[in-house]
Amino acid sequence: ETGVTQSPTHLIKTRGQQVTLRCSSQSGHNTVSWYQQALGQGPQFIFQYYREEENGRGNFPPRFSGLQFPNYSSELNVNALELDDSALYLCASSTNRNTEAFFGQGTRLTVV
Amino acid sequence: QQQVKQSPQSLIVQKGGISIINCAYENTAFDYFPWYQQFPGKGPALLIAIRPDVSEKKEGRFTISFNKSAKQFSLHIMDSQPGDSATYFCAASKGGSNYKLTFGKGTLLTVNP
Repeated sequence: ETGVTQSPTHLIKTRGQQVTLRCSSQSGHNTVSWYQQALGQGPQFIFQYYREEENGRGNFPPRFSGLQFPNYSSELNVNALELDDSALYLCASSTNRNTEAFFGQGTRLTVV
Repeated sequence: QQQVKQSPQSLIVQKGGISIINCAYENTAFDYFPWYQQFPGKGPALLIAIRPDVSEKKEGRFTISFNKSAKQFSLHIMDSQPGDSATYFCAASKGGSNYKLTFGKGTLLTVNP
């Protein structure tokens, strides 16, 4: 088991709503990356946070936003939810962006 | 545009057999190629990784073979065990790091006892 914890484990939301997912990084890790894993697909990079600053973004619209806190935990916020946002959202933490990233167990988001 | 293509989609192997999963990439700037193992209900876990300065890397029963000219790399699992049954993802990134990993679509491996 990694030291990365995500909450909640499962979540059901209605189209158009907003959602906040949380990630507690492993002790000593200052970098957090978020990935979206659709059913039957590999994870897709959403963005990375390094020392509370966004440090790169994948091909996701601005309604996907994030935060990193002074304790290096992180939030992923998604506004105006769409059905296609249904996926497993994974958080990965690392000591910096160039070292091994450890993934949490993910949050399963279902948009109905 | 799928930058990392993985095959097969699923694989069934008998216990003790060799499991082989292949990946091909398009972006020649990629210089870090990890393989991840994912069990149901869990996040991916790094299994083994290779950089293009070597053609093969072995860790226990797991071996990565890398062909830079063909832009292909593969995972070999020797003496496959039922506990190896999982989904395997190849990935690639630039800058020799775990930053902004591009994943394949995954291979569901089933090892029959």
